[in-house]
Amino acid sequence: AQSVTQLGSHVSVSEGALVLLRCNYSSSVPPYLFWYVQYPNQGLQLLLKYTSAATLVKGINGFEAEFKKSETSFHLTKPSAHMSDAAEYFCAVTTDSNYQLIWGAGTKLIIKP
Amino acid sequence: GAGVSQSPSNKVTEKGKDVELRCDPISGHTALYWYRQSLGQGLEFLIYFQGNSAPDKSGLPSDRFSAERTGGSVSTLTIQRTQQEDSAVYLCASSKRRLRNTEAFFGQGTRLTVV
Repeated sequence: AQSVTQLGSHVSVSEGALVLLRCNYSSSVPPYLFWYVQYPNQGLQLLLKYTSAATLVKGINGFEAEFKKSETSFHLTKPSAHMSDAAEYFCAVTTDSNYQLIWGAGTKLIIKP
Repeated sequence: GAGVSQSPSNKVTEKGKDVELRCDPISGHTALYWYRQSLGQGLEFLIYFQGNSAPDKSGLPSDRFSAERTGGSVSTLTIQRTQQEDSAVYLCASSKRRLRNTEAFFGQGTRLTVV
């Protein structure tokens, strides 16, 4: 069975600072990993995904994530935070044998001016 | 339509009443998912439809929950005899096929409050 752990229910950074949102997964088979973002009062939208091609994945709005098999991690980063990045971010995993998306509990990103 | 449409956007109901939540997926998407998002929690899988195959209902929390998908398109999630613990945001998503290498598109959800 797969599982996802997101460290920190809330992360606060200053505008212009590095954003780092942590995601660790557990899977006995090769995983497919996703980051979704949920802006206030909106649905979830895909930020980026890892599907066994390049381990460094670039997504929308300047976000990227690196798949590290040895660390079972898929952390999300952005070099410089913008006020518009304030949202909740969810990491999710699925596999070839499981069409369900298994979700982390989410991390709320707060941007300080 | 342009995106996944869910209705109603908000629903307040009395404990013990039945509710129906509707999802209209993106045209041509064969896969449809229902999830539940409780406050401070991740998303909880409820049910999965793929084309004309029998749905996977393994995530439904109790027999008070049921869902159907008519004509491979619109889906309705029904909760009978609602309880306060059913209060949550119910999200619907659709995709062209299985999730492993394709994007799921989400609706804006139905916020259900049971009083």
